[in-house]
Amino acid sequence: EAGVAQSPRYKIIEKRQSVAFWCNPISGHATLYWYQQILGQGPKLLIQFQNNGVVDDSQLPKDRFSAERLKGVDSTLKIQPAKLEDSAVYLCASSLAGPLRAFFGQGTRLTVV
Amino acid sequence: AQTVTQSQPEMSVQEAETVTLSCTYDTSESNYYLFWYKQPPSRQMILVIRQEAYKQQNATENRFSVNFQKAAKSFSLKISDSQLGDTAMYFCAFMNPNNAGNMLTFGGGTRLMVKP
Repeated sequence: EAGVAQSPRYKIIEKRQSVAFWCNPISGHATLYWYQQILGQGPKLLIQFQNNGVVDDSQLPKDRFSAERLKGVDSTLKIQPAKLEDSAVYLCASSLAGPLRAFFGQGTRLTVV
Repeated sequence: AQTVTQSQPEMSVQEAETVTLSCTYDTSESNYYLFWYKQPPSRQMILVIRQEAYKQQNATENRFSVNFQKAAKSFSLKISDSQLGDTAMYFCAFMNPNNAGNMLTFGGGTRLMVKP
């Protein structure tokens, strides 16, 4: 079966610019997660969707980050405006229900200069 | 809030030997799940093994096994017969199924290098 697809793999932007990441989960997976992984740290959950509804976005910096999952399939994560501290790998994961068997994509490495 | 601590930033092991990675966690919950994930240079997180807190028997998956000490809140990963392909970052993670979001809380990771 196809895995979780993410694009782009790499992105370099200047601070104060905007950027968007795209995630296509495994077909049929209702739950979708976005994680932020700063270099040298473990991933931190930004937002969790169940179908097209938000389950948990308590750690999402809502003044600059936004995410949507239209039609309960693909998802986009946007940062506007970007800050230097947003440099990280952004991982998308999906599962049938809950994280007991979550599948991760290869992530997008963002560098803000 | 739960916390997960991995006290070994880096480890190395000779090929074919055994290595143990440490993980401790802090929680007031009695029912939860613990995970070990592998992250190779490709960045894709791969589930290695999962343990349910209410099960006393330690989980095993081929060359990977855990030593789950619930009272000590310790969850170590043992890799037997280490292979070059085991070289990666390893993350310990915690999940409380009673939370609405069932989010995974990750430790800071251990970089494992398997030497030929």
